[in-house]
Amino acid sequence: NAGVTQTPKFQVLKTGQSMTLQCAQDMNHEYMSWYRQDPGMGLRLIHYSVGAGITDQGEVPNGYNVSRSTTEDFPLRLLSAAPSQTSVYFCASSLQGFVSPLHFGNGTRLTVT
Amino acid sequence: LAKTTQPISMDSYEGQEVNITCSHNNIATNDYITWYQQFPSQGPRFIIQGYKTKVTNEVASLFIPADRKSSTLSLPRVSLSDTAVYYCLVGLLASKLTFGTGTRLQVTL
Repeated sequence: NAGVTQTPKFQVLKTGQSMTLQCAQDMNHEYMSWYRQDPGMGLRLIHYSVGAGITDQGEVPNGYNVSRSTTEDFPLRLLSAAPSQTSVYFCASSLQGFVSPLHFGNGTRLTVT
Repeated sequence: LAKTTQPISMDSYEGQEVNITCSHNNIATNDYITWYQQFPSQGPRFIIQGYKTKVTNEVASLFIPADRKSSTLSLPRVSLSDTAVYYCLVGLLASKLTFGTGTRLQVTL
């Protein structure tokens, strides 16, 4: 039972480069969401999806894009990386939005130089 | 957004009960309170969730006073393996979702 799988585990980018963080879940959860975790701060919601084909912005969406073409996958795209995007990124899925337990992946540590 | 405040760190000896409090003065009527545990290099893991009064499961209890402006996670008889960072999460809707900054619990012998 894999749960939520994130790839890659680590990534280093140069300013201006683009990349996609992958997230896949095998629990058939409708809700998926992306967070960033910075030192001294709690997790902050970037984007979320309530089902395939539906996405919306969270608290800190600028600089990130998402799409949800299948129930299982929810990739996060950085179009033009900036040093301020250096962070640890977590993907989560849940059965009924934020009122039900979030199942997190193990994160992607991203460094932008 | 409901601003959530937690102590930065706590220390405990193995076998003791640990209570971690989260303050959320601006909690909305429909917001739930959820606690997560996080180990290094892992994602947060669900511990317990509540709306009001007291909730208990096999690993923890959650106490929420009537005004719901704070909540207390209680871990009975902690062990070394409970050393982790604990986060409270307040919210129901994405527009009002707020994680606390986390409490680092260190358990020693």
